[in-house]
Amino acid sequence: KAGVTQTPRYLIKTRGQQVTLSCSPISGHRSVSWYQQTPGQGLQFLFEYFSETQRNKGNFPGRFSGRQFSNSRSEMNVSTLELGDSALYLCASRAAAGAGGQETQYFGPGTRLLVL
Amino acid sequence: SQKIEQNSEALNIQEGKTATLTCNYTNYSPAYLQWYRQDPGRGPVFLLLIRENEKEKRKERLKVTFDTTLKQSLFHITASQPADSATYLCALGLGFGNEKLTFGTGTRLTIIP
Repeated sequence: KAGVTQTPRYLIKTRGQQVTLSCSPISGHRSVSWYQQTPGQGLQFLFEYFSETQRNKGNFPGRFSGRQFSNSRSEMNVSTLELGDSALYLCASRAAAGAGGQETQYFGPGTRLLVL
Repeated sequence: SQKIEQNSEALNIQEGKTATLTCNYTNYSPAYLQWYRQDPGRGPVFLLLIRENEKEKRKERLKVTFDTTLKQSLFHITASQPADSATYLCALGLGFGNEKLTFGTGTRLTIIP
């Protein structure tokens, strides 16, 4: 089975621009979560999507948004980029097949975003 | 406020010895705790999950303990090898219906040959 894929792998943008990142989960997985990783703050949860609905949200401003499509692929959008948005953006997928929901999360390789 | 602390930012251990990493948390009541390994430039890889009602879990050379009274988890790698060198992250999960994981900042482990 193919793992979680993220595109693009690297991205350079300037302040004020917007960016869209894409994540394709493992086949059959219905839950996709997004995380931001920076040296100072570590891994921070952005949001989780399940069956096209946002189920959980972290403490990030409204400039960060996402969506999930019917094939479980997910996109994350950041508008009006700031220097502090430079980070590794990771997505993780989970089967979320039954009660308990504590299955393993599988992370993608991440998209490294640099804002100049 | 809620906080997850991993004992040290970096840890150097001689090959063959046991590496012990610590994860302490405050103001959380996690339903489970997970440990991940992350290599440079790559996403975290899941290693072990331990639930709140479990004291210990083992997988090959890895062992995790979970003490909800002390609010602490210990992660052990026995017979450590240079290939075990990586950053190790602990993550807390609050439970079903709220699968958001809250991560510690990680410990960079180096196994010295």
